[in-house]
Amino acid sequence: DAMVIQNPRYQVTQFGKPVTLSCSQTLNHNVMYWYQQKSSQAPKLLFHYYDKDFNNEADTPDNFQSRRPNTSFCFLDIRSPGLGDAAMYLCATSSRGQAHEQYFGPGTRLTVT
Amino acid sequence: GQSLEQPSEVTAVEGAIVQINCTYQTSGFYGLSWYQQHDGGAPTFLSYNALDGLEETGRFSSFLSRSDSYGYLLLQELQMKDSASYFCALGSTGGGNKLTFGTGTQLKVEL
Repeated sequence: DAMVIQNPRYQVTQFGKPVTLSCSQTLNHNVMYWYQQKSSQAPKLLFHYYDKDFNNEADTPDNFQSRRPNTSFCFLDIRSPGLGDAAMYLCATSSRGQAHEQYFGPGTRLTVT
Repeated sequence: GQSLEQPSEVTAVEGAIVQINCTYQTSGFYGLSWYQQHDGGAPTFLSYNALDGLEETGRFSSFLSRSDSYGYLLLQELQMKDSASYFCALGSTGGGNKLTFGTGTQLKVEL
């Protein structure tokens, strides 16, 4: 089945220690998104790629970076995680012109100790 | 910018009908989406309104009124498994390929 896969599902990192979260998709969608979601809150868009074009949200901290080496894979790098970065990180995809219907991966729960 | 407001919590009994409202402010948008998210799970797309009026998908229907800056999700024949958070989301005409999510409504279905 076509899907969005995120690894790992749970990640524990230390304060200030860089961490990378990964996302892959078999839907062949042009657009990939990274969201941060904290408990009882809405998903907050960090950035998205339209093909290779990177689009950063104005309020996304510089501490968050992303890479999309090919259509299928996208990575979220947190350079120096703080306690406030503990959250669920969701990857999503959509096809061109269909941003209203996004397909989400299961998420990575990040804990910062 | 855009903002979308939803009631924080709604409670209903199994078998009933419930309506989850969404009011929004935007300078321009192309449609209103609805997503369901169970605790610990990922958001799942439910419905989309590009035009005013009602869209029906099985037990779920969604409504949009652009003149009132208002939409709602209607869930019929409620089941226990419908207990989840529900988010409305706008795609803005000036925002490219992205959505802004509403504040979310936690639906609790009771026996």
